Amino acid sequence: DVVMTQTPVSLSVAIGQPASISCKSSQSLVGTSGKTYLNWLLQRPGQSPKRLIYLVSKLDSGIPDRFSGSGSETDFTLKISRVEADDLGVYYCLQGTHFPWTFGGGTKLELK
Amino acid sequence: EVQLVETGGGLVQPGKSLKLTCATSGFTFSTAWMHWVRQSPEKRLEWIARIKDKSNNYATDYVESVKGRFTISRDDSKSSVYLQMNSLKEEDTATYYCTVGFDYWGQGVMVTVSS
Repeated sequence: DVVMTQTPVSLSVAIGQPASISCKSSQSLVGTSGKTYLNWLLQRPGQSPKRLIYLVSKLDSGIPDRFSGSGSETDFTLKISRVEADDLGVYYCLQGTHFPWTFGGGTKLELK
Repeated sequence: EVQLVETGGGLVQPGKSLKLTCATSGFTFSTAWMHWVRQSPEKRLEWIARIKDKSNNYATDYVESVKGRFTISRDDSKSSVYLQMNSLKEEDTATYYCTVGFDYWGQGVMVTVSS
């Protein structure tokens, strides 16, 4: 199975400051179609996960452009340009290229 | 509005069975590929099963840890997907979510396997 490794495990950021989360996969996530099935999800406290980004960098509907995704092959990054209080929670990366789909261990974003 | 509502969780003894239901609305269920994902008490997420649509012969896939014990199924007339869980183990204790495309998720249902 593809192992997804997220760093850091936790992140303390002040409102208005940027944040960055890394996700590394144990093998390339480029599929046979040429697409890279890397997603980012946010789970706010007490809520279900919600997808923010798919195909590395495409924002889901309603997701503010403060969020951005980048990367290729095995190395991916989620960036928040200016953290807001609503961004708190645990961020997970998810690969859908190789069966079975696998998640990263999560990065907890807290307010400083 | 897309809605997914899971029911059927609870406390069950090891070796017993439980069936989860995910009732959906707000999207074209009949053409959707549905998934079950679980979250352990330690908050680790694990994809466990997927069922494709009729045009793909309702093909199913499972993670190795539940293969042979869990069965995913669907009823397009009820816009619902199910997870039949047999021979439950303590390590199956988790919150179980159904999701369509990992875009929309239900609120989750807790399953506790303990004697």
